[in-house]
Amino acid sequence: GAGVSQSPSNKVTEKGKDVELRCDPISGHTALYWYRQSLGQGLEFLIYFQGNSAPDKSGLPSDRFSAERTGGSVSTLTIQRTQQEDSAVYLCASSLGLAGGQETQYFGPGTRLLVL
Amino acid sequence: DAKTTQPPSMDCAEGRAANLPCNHSTISGNEYVYWYRQIHSQGPQYIIHGLKNNETNEMASLIITEDRKSSTLILPHATLRDTAVYYCIVRDPGGVQGGKLIFGQGTELSVKP
Repeated sequence: GAGVSQSPSNKVTEKGKDVELRCDPISGHTALYWYRQSLGQGLEFLIYFQGNSAPDKSGLPSDRFSAERTGGSVSTLTIQRTQQEDSAVYLCASSLGLAGGQETQYFGPGTRLLVL
Repeated sequence: DAKTTQPPSMDCAEGRAANLPCNHSTISGNEYVYWYRQIHSQGPQYIIHGLKNNETNEMASLIITEDRKSSTLILPHATLRDTAVYYCIVRDPGGVQGGKLIFGQGTELSVKP
């Protein structure tokens, strides 16, 4: 079946511009997660959703970062006034649920963001 | 911070078994051991997970020691396509860390012809 999809696959933007990154989770998955991976760095958690609610936003690096999820499906990660340090691969994952054997996360291919 | 320790790199000959170790000496009773891998320029791929019993699927086997303080991921017949960074992660689905996975630096496995 279809996996997690993300768009765009690559995005080049200028410093100071806003960007929106999209994630389509696996159909039926109620939980959705955002991570990012900077060049040569590990993966760091940003935020996760259960349904349309975000119980944990602790990984968002600044108030320039926000995310929303509507209809319990698609999620958008928005970065306002982008900075060069925002350049990274942004990864989305989804899971059936949060526990009870449903918590395994499946990742999308990522969006590669380059801020010039 | 990651709660696991893995060697930064390992080599394996093609066709041989790859045994990737992971130490998680502070693991708690409710925490599962998960393994993911990341092939260059791709998103992480789920491999296997377990609580205390050994597990096997079509990709790999997971051996967890009786005291649960360490585990080994086994790829029985490594191929060149298994070259990747392998991450060992401990997670309590119902715990305070909630839904997130905390990745360490992983082990970079190089499978050589």
